[in-house]
Amino acid sequence: SAVISQKPSRDICQRGTSLTIQCQVDSQVTMMFWYRQQPGQSLTLIATANQGSEATYESGFVIDKFPISRPNLTFSTLTVSNMSPEDSSIYLCSVEDFGTGGMNTEAFFGQGTRLTVV
Amino acid sequence: GNSVTQMEGPVTLSEEAFLTINCTYTATGYPSLFWYVQYPGEGLQLLLKATKADDKGSNKGFEATYRKETTSFHLEKGSVQVSDSAVYFCALSDQQGAQKLVFGQGTRLTINP
Repeated sequence: SAVISQKPSRDICQRGTSLTIQCQVDSQVTMMFWYRQQPGQSLTLIATANQGSEATYESGFVIDKFPISRPNLTFSTLTVSNMSPEDSSIYLCSVEDFGTGGMNTEAFFGQGTRLTVV
Repeated sequence: GNSVTQMEGPVTLSEEAFLTINCTYTATGYPSLFWYVQYPGEGLQLLLKATKADDKGSNKGFEATYRKETTSFHLEKGSVQVSDSAVYFCALSDQQGAQKLVFGQGTRLTINP
């Protein structure tokens, strides 16, 4: 199983600033995913990050607002740019592990970054 | 598009009570279905899953059956414990494996001794 370290675990930021969230995995993975969980709501996929190519964003999310880096197979960053109070959420990193023989896929999640924008 | 609707919480039960958390979904094709759990202070972790109709996923005494005719994947446990207190998320993936999960809103469960 994959172990994911995400940091910071929480932060309080001023509006108009940017925050970069780091996600480190203890094994090499092809795809990494970034989710957002707004207060009282479900998790929503922001983008899929592949090593060596640009991230693929879901509807409603754009690269200028949420730039993503994926420099290698164990690491990714998500930046929340020009923050406003509406960006206050929990941001989670996720990877897919194919398990033994590639037949038993499972998604693993970091503990999340709780962001508050004031 | 695909969506997941979960029973609204919070849910509070006494120890040894029977638990049901309802989950229904809307999807094209044949999605895989999951239940994830988030214990206090911890990250999301997979509780159980089912990849085709009539499959039953089970783990830690929890069960859920993939019902295509009712588009449901209700989570059940016969006798809950205080340690089951957590937030439970129903999710689906319309791709092979666990990619691009669509989540329900989560149900907070509290078990009182």
